[in-house]
Amino acid sequence: AQTVTQSQPEMSVQEAETVTLSCTYDTSESDYYLFWYKQPPSRQMILVIRQEAYKQQNATENRFSVNFQKAAKSFSLKISDSQLGDAAMYFCAYRAMEYGNKLVFGAGTILRVKS
Amino acid sequence: DGGITQSPKYLFRKEGQNVTLSCEQNLNHDAMYWYRQDPGQGLRLIYYSQIVNDFQKGDIAEGYSVSREKKESFPLTVTSAQKNPTAFYLCASSGGLSYNEQFFGPGTRLTVL
Repeated sequence: AQTVTQSQPEMSVQEAETVTLSCTYDTSESDYYLFWYKQPPSRQMILVIRQEAYKQQNATENRFSVNFQKAAKSFSLKISDSQLGDAAMYFCAYRAMEYGNKLVFGAGTILRVKS
Repeated sequence: DGGITQSPKYLFRKEGQNVTLSCEQNLNHDAMYWYRQDPGQGLRLIYYSQIVNDFQKGDIAEGYSVSREKKESFPLTVTSAQKNPTAFYLCASSGGLSYNEQFFGPGTRLTVL
């Protein structure tokens, strides 16, 4: 079974600085999707960024980018120019090809942004 | 506006009672999902449905039941057999051009008294 591990329960960053959240996963599949979701205090899950495993180019969405290392099964999220609104729980998720579009989530990383 | 609605936002239940959580979407998505969120454990899949009148168990289906009689609705019943039902429940959907992504509702917080 696929597993997703987020080894950082909590991270802190100064406003305007850069922070990287780590994620590793375990799978025997060669084709899959990876996602980062943000959950602010409202608890609404918001998709931040996604990566297709067959694409070598790292995905980027404005201040958010990923470092996808397929051989190492690593998928880290970099947040540049951190803003107070970035403070949230961040979840890494893997899309399993079986069970349809099932998502497997990591335990999450709480990101605190200091002003 | 297209989206996913869940009701109620907060729900209280006495031990031994069944309770049904509502999930409705107007995104015309074929697939719908129920997740449970506990502190420190991320989200875990309870049930999912890829088409109307069909659904499959996820990783933690025991003590839960679902139905999918309409494309836009996927209610979750938490039965008295669920031993620790206090949690935050999230509904999601996917489909169409957004098939590879799941869109989430605002969630329901269930507390057993």
